[in-house]
Amino acid sequence: DTGVSQDPRHKITKRGQNVTFRCDPISEHNRLYWYRQTLGQGPEFLTYFQNEAQLEKSRLLSDRFSAERPKGSFSTLEIQRTEQGDSAMYLCASSLVEEDEKLFFGSGTQLSVL
Amino acid sequence: DQQVKQNSPSLSVQEGRISILNCDYTNSMFDYFLWYKKYPAEGPTFLISISSIKDKNEDGRFTVFLNKSAKHLSLHIVPSQPGDSAVYFCAPITVYGQNFVFGPGTRLSVLP
Repeated sequence: DTGVSQDPRHKITKRGQNVTFRCDPISEHNRLYWYRQTLGQGPEFLTYFQNEAQLEKSRLLSDRFSAERPKGSFSTLEIQRTEQGDSAMYLCASSLVEEDEKLFFGSGTQLSVL
Repeated sequence: DQQVKQNSPSLSVQEGRISILNCDYTNSMFDYFLWYKKYPAEGPTFLISISSIKDKNEDGRFTVFLNKSAKHLSLHIVPSQPGDSAVYFCAPITVYGQNFVFGPGTRLSVLP
């Protein structure tokens, strides 16, 4: 196990289309986070799961965004009816509950909405 | 409303000298502070942290200082190396929440 894996690395889509990203956390990690990062800014929190339960969602997560972690392992983030403002790097991170201050990030999915 | 500020977007330092990266915050509920480092095309990686009950934490070439009364922390890298060239994010957290609030980052360039 080499770390947090995200797929795809890059996604180009047209405005109005739906997109889905996948994150595979480090296998023994029970917490999984989604962040969004735009140019010149730090990562912004979107949501996090503990096992399969979604425990917190940011106000940034509009109703067009939905995240799931059905079996407490991998997670998906779906954006419906994409807008140009959704263009960003979407980062996934995982951690152990006992060491939740240490997030392990994936390399991200770069979304470009044309 | 920016809770975390890193007022230097970029910093250039000569190899072997000290790098000092600063972070200011407004939320007095923050009680644990982390620094993350990010290379291009990679996700951020944890670097060093400090609890609010301490004013200094050291790990090799990296030292973080916390001044709670001033709501200010700084990361010192001594001696700086070219491999330290990256974007550094300050990321505080409260004991009640699980979401980290990342600062905008400082891009450090260490010149050989």
